[in-house]
Formats: sequence, structure tokens, C-alpha cells
Amino acid sequence: EPEVTQTPSHQVTQMGQEVILRCVPISNHLYFYWYRQILGQKVEFLVSFYNNEISEKSEIFDDQFSVERPDGSNFTLKIRSTKLEDSAMYFCASSDGQYNEQFFGPGTRLTVL
Amino acid sequence: KNQVEQSPQSLIILEGKNCTLQCNYTVSPFSNLRWYKQDTGRGPVSLTIMTFSENTKSNGRYTATLDADTKQSSLHITASQLSDSASYICVVLSGGSYIPTFGRGTSLIVHP
Repeated sequence: EPEVTQTPSHQVTQMGQEVILRCVPISNHLYFYWYRQILGQKVEFLVSFYNNEISEKSEIFDDQFSVERPDGSNFTLKIRSTKLEDSAMYFCASSDGQYNEQFFGPGTRLTVL
Repeated sequence: KNQVEQSPQSLIILEGKNCTLQCNYTVSPFSNLRWYKQDTGRGPVSLTIMTFSENTKSNGRYTATLDADTKQSSLHITASQLSDSASYICVVLSGGSYIPTFGRGTSLIVHP
């Protein structure tokens, strides 16, 4: 069964460093999303991506964040200068329609020291 | 401001029993409402998606209801199993733009 994969499963970084979180969405999906979940809190939407551009973004998704689909399979989230409060689980998701079922990856746990 | 409130915050039941989780929302305009199951440390898994015109939708032992007039939804779990222990999250999408509003989830623990 096709699934969304994410790498790495755990990333530890120093404050101020850049990190890139990687996702491989399900192959025939066209809509891609990033979410984050701070430990013990609710899931928060970051950004949606379609047709090689951002379609929606939340207030959280400020200038330190960027997304890219560098090739036909990967979808990345870059955080330019990490802060302590960026420590969270980051989930990638994909769907074959904007309002269709989304399939989530297993997440990347980002720890900023 | 769009909000999704879930209750109870946590629930403990015995295996084999039924339970019902509640979701109230103030999202406008409404597009659809989703229930997800999230195991600890894992990504959410979709259980149901309900649009404005749907009152009830089932997925195995999970049955979701939606009352768009009162802006309430419920998720009923029948004959609970140990594997049902998880967080159940209600998410509402507004019409016109895809920015979902998440609830905090109900943590369900099923004891043998």
C-alpha cells in the first residue's frame, strides 16, 4: 500500500542552524502539506502546496520557512534559522484532491538545542 | 476566530464498550469536517470526511455524525478494542481556502 515517507525520523540541531526536512508523498498525489505538532499540543497547519507553488499558508509559516518540490518525488520544508520554539514533530501529508482524504507521514521530530 | 472544541479531553473505557466523542466548531464558512485517529508518536490517520449535506458516515466500528445547524459532530466507537487507544482529532475546513482548524483531540484509553 502506498504511503508517505519522511526523513529523518529525528533531527537534532543547534539554534540558528538551517534544517531541511524531507518527505516523499504518494506518487499520484498532487497536493502536499506540512503540519507541526509541539509536544502535548494540537496539530497546526503550516502550508499547502499545489502545482509547484504555495496555495495556502498559516501565520506560523513566516519568512524563516520555505517549501520546495525539487524533483518529481520529494517535497521539502526548510527552516532557515531554527529557534528553540521550532522544536516539534513535523508531519508531511499528501492528497489527490484539495478536499480529499489526506495521508500523513510518520513525522520528523525536530529538537532545537 | 475559527475554533474547534472537543470533549471530553480524555476518556477511559473497558474493552468491548462503546463510547462517543464530541466536537463543536465555529468555523465559517464550512466546507467539511474530518475525524482522525492519532497513535502516540505517529501521524494522524483519516477516519471520516463529512460535507455539509451528510448527517452520518461510517467506517467500520467508527460512526461520525454531523449537525451543521448546531455545528456539532460526534464520533461513536462501537465494541472498543485495545488498539482503539489513541487521540481522536476533529478538524474543520473552511470553504474557499484550505486552512484547517484542529481540535485538541480526545485521548481515549481502552483497558482490558
